[in-house]
Amino acid sequence: QKEVEQDPGPLSVPEGAIVSLNCTYSNSAFQYFMWYRQYSRKGPELLMYTYSSGNKEDGRFTAQVDKSSKYISLFIRDSQPSDSATYLCATEGGGATNKLIFGTGTLLAVQP
Amino acid sequence: DGGITQSPKYLFRKEGQNVTLSCEQNLNHDAMYWYRQDPGQGLRLIYYSQIVNDFQKGDIAEGYSVSREKKESFPLTVTSAQKNPTAFYLCASSIGTGLGTGELFFGEGSRLTVL
Repeated sequence: QKEVEQDPGPLSVPEGAIVSLNCTYSNSAFQYFMWYRQYSRKGPELLMYTYSSGNKEDGRFTAQVDKSSKYISLFIRDSQPSDSATYLCATEGGGATNKLIFGTGTLLAVQP
Repeated sequence: DGGITQSPKYLFRKEGQNVTLSCEQNLNHDAMYWYRQDPGQGLRLIYYSQIVNDFQKGDIAEGYSVSREKKESFPLTVTSAQKNPTAFYLCASSIGTGLGTGELFFGEGSRLTVL
């Protein structure tokens, strides 16, 4: 079993839709969770960084962590064509360092 | 502008040749990383360095080598021993390496194709 699992998609939605992107992880010791956005042929950029359980909101984006079910989600409200990208979830892999474990990424296409 | 610069953006190599990918950062970050990205496999860690003149193997270090002679620079050499070198290579840096410092800043990547 991979430590972080993510549905690769692709996911296609119409402009204005609410998008839900999800990951599951296996190790209950993970505490820090991230979502990165990667446009085609570019490096990833950090979107959201959360600690432990709960929600974090930033504009149209909400990151949610449910540690009881080892589930992390990213919601995008009022999705725009400019949101079309690959979204990668990641977690710090435990221990004393910040070494990240990434999901495989979900390719999102928002159709105008 | 602060950031990470990778070069070249595209590189073609014949089998049996070593190639070196450049990575420079002006963020004054202590830690630097090299990842490989393949379709359907996400990002896999090749090497990382927490401090100058020190580096550690990641999950897929075989066939790669690195150096960290300066804080700003972390070049990656893809050697002829790497069996499947065609991939998108990403360099990243972070402020530190302790828990809670996992925000990575990535370069734009280098796409290596072996002919």
